[in-house]
Amino acid sequence: AQRVTQPEKLLSVFKGAPVELKCNYSYSGSPELFWYVQYSRQRLQLLLRHISRESIKGFTADLNKGETSFHLKKPFAQEEDSAMYYCALYRSGNTPLVFGKGTRLSVIA
Amino acid sequence: DSGVTQTPKHLITATGQRVTLRCSPRSGDLSVYWYQQSLDQGLQFLIQYYNGEERAKGNILERFSAQQFPDLHSELNLSSLELGDSALYFCASSDNGDRGRGEKLFFGSGTQLSVL
Repeated sequence: AQRVTQPEKLLSVFKGAPVELKCNYSYSGSPELFWYVQYSRQRLQLLLRHISRESIKGFTADLNKGETSFHLKKPFAQEEDSAMYYCALYRSGNTPLVFGKGTRLSVIA
Repeated sequence: DSGVTQTPKHLITATGQRVTLRCSPRSGDLSVYWYQQSLDQGLQFLIQYYNGEERAKGNILERFSAQQFPDLHSELNLSSLELGDSALYFCASSDNGDRGRGEKLFFGSGTQLSVL
């Protein structure tokens, strides 16, 4: 079965410290991976997708097929990064995204 | 604003009751997805509709049902409610325009259901 694992429910870091939110997936085909973010009192929204190879709000994520991982990283955390982060997997065909259970990031001033 | 509208924002009801959650997708989006968000399980996919037809089913209980109408809005019906059904229910839409490249979902702000 296709699975997305986010091992940390809660991650607390100090402002200015590096951040890494872990995501591992299991899927035998060619996956597409996404990171969605939910800020306080806001709706869930797309942060970035691996095929775009982009950096959004200082965050990057690289798909590592060997380790089946798609960790989200930022070199210097900001207080406004505090939010709930979900990793999601898209399989082939018209199938719905499979989400991990999410990691709550708390950036401490 | 994602363009996806969900009503009501909050719903408080009693066990055994039946409720209907409503979702209007972004203009032009043909796909509607329903997700349940809880502290323990995270974001669980319930069901997907595409242009009025059921496309995919996830962890949706038999007590729950959904439909998508000709105007593309969707309703999620939850019946014989139990305490454990208390959760945030999200609707999302996509245009399926990027077939084969994954889908960007646009989420509504959710309906917070409290079953007492």
